[in-house]
Amino acid sequence: SQTIHQWPATLVQPVGSPLSLECTVEGTSNPNLYWYRQAAGRGLQLLFYSVGIGQISSEVPQNLSASRPQDRQFILSSKKLLLSDSGFYLCAWSGRGQGTEAFFGQGTRLTVV
Amino acid sequence: RKEVEQDPGPFNVPEGATVAFNCTYSNSASQSFFWYRQDCRKEPKLLMSVYSSGNEDGRFTAQLNRASQYISLLIRDSKLSDSATYLCVVNRFGNEKLTFGTGTRLTIIP
Repeated sequence: SQTIHQWPATLVQPVGSPLSLECTVEGTSNPNLYWYRQAAGRGLQLLFYSVGIGQISSEVPQNLSASRPQDRQFILSSKKLLLSDSGFYLCAWSGRGQGTEAFFGQGTRLTVV
Repeated sequence: RKEVEQDPGPFNVPEGATVAFNCTYSNSASQSFFWYRQDCRKEPKLLMSVYSSGNEDGRFTAQLNRASQYISLLIRDSKLSDSATYLCVVNRFGNEKLTFGTGTRLTIIP
């Protein structure tokens, strides 16, 4: 069966510090991978998605970047965090092809102080 | 206009009642539809896919109305454990992205 791992679960970082969140998927090949952010009391905002190694699509201009160094690994990064980067970050995967549902990792709750 | 719109609620419903949510989408090219459930401070989890002919899973029924571009979720005999935020999700043909609505918050009252 497929599983998705995302870590850490919670993170408190000072303004200006770097960020690296990692997500890995097991039990499937060539997944579509996604990073979403959810601000407190708000909906999910798609940040990045990837349909293959090294292929990253960015949805909104921001202080963040994403990379996919391996087929089942997706990394969200920032060189310098802003207060506005605080939120609930969710990694998800879906099967290859259109119209398939997505499955989420447990999320990382990031607080920038 | 947002691509996917939901009534944010909150819906406060007595236990045992029937509750229905609607979700409208703006792009007629939308191809796939889902309902997700998100508990407080947790990740969203797939509740059910929505098929053109409508589908049922226990107390939950999902419907799709392509002409009016909305999907609905009906929950019968609501339980306290149904309290959550329900997210509507659409996917456009030729697009790998899943677009989420902002969610409808449901609280079942004893």
